[in-house]
Order: sequence, then C-alpha cells, then structure tokens
Amino acid sequence: AQKVTQAQTEISVVEKEDVTLDCVYETRDTTYYLFWYKQPPSGELVFLIRRNSFDEQNEISGRYSWNFQKSTSSFNFTITASQVVDSAVYFCALSEFGSARQLTFGSGTQLTVLP
Amino acid sequence: DTGVSQDPRHKITKRGQNVTFRCDPISEHNRLYWYRQTLGQGPEFLTYFQNEAQLEKSRLLSDRFSAERPKGSFSTLEIQRTEQGDSAMYLCASRVVEEQFFGPGTRLTVL
Repeated sequence: AQKVTQAQTEISVVEKEDVTLDCVYETRDTTYYLFWYKQPPSGELVFLIRRNSFDEQNEISGRYSWNFQKSTSSFNFTITASQVVDSAVYFCALSEFGSARQLTFGSGTQLTVLP
Repeated sequence: DTGVSQDPRHKITKRGQNVTFRCDPISEHNRLYWYRQTLGQGPEFLTYFQNEAQLEKSRLLSDRFSAERPKGSFSTLEIQRTEQGDSAMYLCASRVVEEQFFGPGTRLTVL
C-alpha cells in the first residue's frame, strides 16, 4: 500500500529565508504521480505541482522549486526568499496508476513565516 | 466562479441526526472524489465517481455513509445517525486529467 511521510510537523522561519519541506513516499507501483498542495488558514487546498514517476527533472516556478529523487523516494519542496503569505500547511500526496487515482496524503507540514 | 463548490460550508448537528452535503464539481470534470480531513491530518479518501458510477469506496466509508452522483454532475454525501467521531472537514475534489481540484469543504461538528 502507498504511504507518504512528512516528518516535519512544524517549521518556523523568518521572512526571506529559504525553507525546504521534506516528503518521502512508498509505493509498489512503477507508475505514479506526486503532488504538493497548500492549505492556507482559509482551509481550501490549492494545487501547486504534479510530477510523473517517469520524469525526474526538477522544476522551478518563481520562488518555488521541487526536487524529485526516485533513488531515495523523495519529493522535496523548497521556497526561496520566503514571505509571510507563504504561511500555510503544505501537503505532499501520491496517486498510483489505477482507475481511481485517489490521493494518499502525508500529514502535512505547518510552515510559519515570521516578519 | 468555475471552481469546485460545496454546500453548506458549516454544519452543526446533534448525535444521531442525518446530514447531507452537496458538491458541484468543475463543469467539464467527469471524475469526482470525497475526502475527509480531521484536525492535524491530511485528507483521507472516501469514495470516487466517474460520471454517475461510484467505482471505488474506502474502508473508511462505513454503512452509515452513502454517496451519489445521479446525473454525473453534482454529488451528495449523506451521513446517517451521526456520531461525534464523524466531526471533520469533508472535502470534494474533481479532475479531468491528473490534478485534483478541491472545494472549500464542509466542516461538520457533531455535538
């Protein structure tokens, strides 16, 4: 069965610091998808990125970057020059290549960016 | 607004009562999901629809829970004889490719 582990429960940084959120996953499938979602205090989950298991290229989008390493089953998320508006709970999730492709979420990392 | 919508946003009920939640997915999305999120945890999958067919149900979905998507558009999730352990945020999501887009959720409090 699939599993996602986010070992960091809470992280607190000062504005403009870089911060990396860790995600480790387990799956027996060779084809799968990895995701990051942001849940701000308002509560709505916001999609950030999807990666396919066969594409290990790292990705950068503005201040956000993602490092996918199949060898260590990790999909880490880095925010560069953090801002107060980045404060939220961040979830890593996995879906396997099946009919439903339901998401299995980690328990989330609460990021607090202090001014 | 073309996002996923859910109604109501908040529901307070007494133990033993029945409640029903509604989800309106993004219009062109034929796949719809229900998840449950408790405090401090990530969402957990409950059930999946492709069009009007309910194709997958989690073991979390006890026989007190039932979900429908009668015309392949909106969906309802009903909880019968609510228990205090049902208190949670109930999230709906829809997708057409791989990304699931979530609604704002319905927060259920069972007293």
